[in-house]
Amino acid sequence: EAGVTQFPSHSVIEKGQTVTLRCDPISGHDNLYWYRRVMGKEIKFLLHFVKESKQDESGMPNNRFLAERTGGTYSTLKVQPAELEDSGVYFCASSQQGATNEKLFFGSGTQLSVL
Amino acid sequence: QKEVEQDPGPLSVPEGAIVSLNCTYSNSAFQYFMWYRQYSRKGPELLMYTYSSGNKEDGRFTAQVDKSSKYISLFIRDSQPSDSATYLCAIGLGGNTPLVFGKGTRLSVIA
Repeated sequence: EAGVTQFPSHSVIEKGQTVTLRCDPISGHDNLYWYRRVMGKEIKFLLHFVKESKQDESGMPNNRFLAERTGGTYSTLKVQPAELEDSGVYFCASSQQGATNEKLFFGSGTQLSVL
Repeated sequence: QKEVEQDPGPLSVPEGAIVSLNCTYSNSAFQYFMWYRQYSRKGPELLMYTYSSGNKEDGRFTAQVDKSSKYISLFIRDSQPSDSATYLCAIGLGGNTPLVFGKGTRLSVIA
């Protein structure tokens, strides 16, 4: 069984540019989460989808971040325009329907560097 | 006060040593306690999961939760070089409320 897949693994962009991160959860997992780790800090929650609906987006830092999950399968996280403080590792995680987020499966992350 | 405190290390031990990793937390409402292991360039992988207080053992790994002290621990017996990784504690309120992570402790087991 394939795990959670994230693309790209690395992205280097300049301040003001746009970047789109993609996450493919484990097949059949209705819950999809985005987390972020800024250097030197803890992993922090960004938002949670149940199928295609946003269940909780309380962790999204500002309106430069837009997450979508059309059709309830893969998800994208777009940052527009990117700022220096957006640099970090963005993790996607998924879990089965009915499972709580204590049983999360994480992807390997996208390392985003904004110069 | 941070919700979860974890010493980032690094921690270096010889092969075969017993390793003790710890976190403290501030909110007594937390009920779910997890330990994740993260290898370099990989995502966190769930290692141990405990609900409420008590101990849980899985092979060489033992997780302990002391809710009265708001203190959680992970013990690794007979540590191996393959245990070298960053260990993150994570706590939750339950349901689908967001997990709160510690900073992670970087462990190196030297052969």
